Amino acid sequence: DTGVSQDPRHKITKRGQNVTFRCDPISEHNRLYWYRQTLGQGPEFLTYFQNEAQLEKSRLLSDRFSAERPKGSFSTLEIQRTEQGDSAMYLCASSLGSALSGNTIYFGEGSWLTVV
Amino acid sequence: SQKIEQNSEALNIQEGKTATLTCNYTNYSPAYLQWYRQDPGRGPVFLLLIRENEKEKRKERLKVTFDTTLKQSLFHITASQPADSATYLCALEGSGGGADGLTFGKGTHLIIQP
Repeated sequence: DTGVSQDPRHKITKRGQNVTFRCDPISEHNRLYWYRQTLGQGPEFLTYFQNEAQLEKSRLLSDRFSAERPKGSFSTLEIQRTEQGDSAMYLCASSLGSALSGNTIYFGEGSWLTVV
Repeated sequence: SQKIEQNSEALNIQEGKTATLTCNYTNYSPAYLQWYRQDPGRGPVFLLLIRENEKEKRKERLKVTFDTTLKQSLFHITASQPADSATYLCALEGSGGGADGLTFGKGTHLIIQP
């Protein structure tokens, strides 16, 4: 068990470019989450997968954002036509099941995005 | 709208004392509340979960209380140590099942002075 892995850890991109982040959850975790965090704020929920199905998307997730989890294992988060307001840390998390059932949610170390 | 409030200012505590952090929420009926620790530049780390029917939960030097009438959770660290210095986040999920989108507070920055 190597924990939740995210790649890249840091990305600097020019406004208008597309970026993609990858998340490898803990193996056998069927739930995978994406959050966004800016300085001085708590993480904000973006979207959530159970296996390969995307079950919930936040209103924060504009149509420039798309997330996939094609085989129910790793996930990608793509941001198209990046804007400076997209600069943030993008956090991925995974769990075996619902937290209400006592399952712990494990976060990765995050992918920092800077849009210049 | 749903809101989670945590002490916005940093909390300075002398080593060895008990640190108490507050999490208040409005317009929620959470089935449970969670506390996380976050170090600078790192992802949050889960600490404790307390359910709506539980008043108190303990784990080593940590204690969490949950008052659904006051809509408040208190997070205590006893015998605090400088290594406990971090930002502590509370997070809630609404009741009624559904998706697991946690809503986090902004966090409280705790500083334990040696």
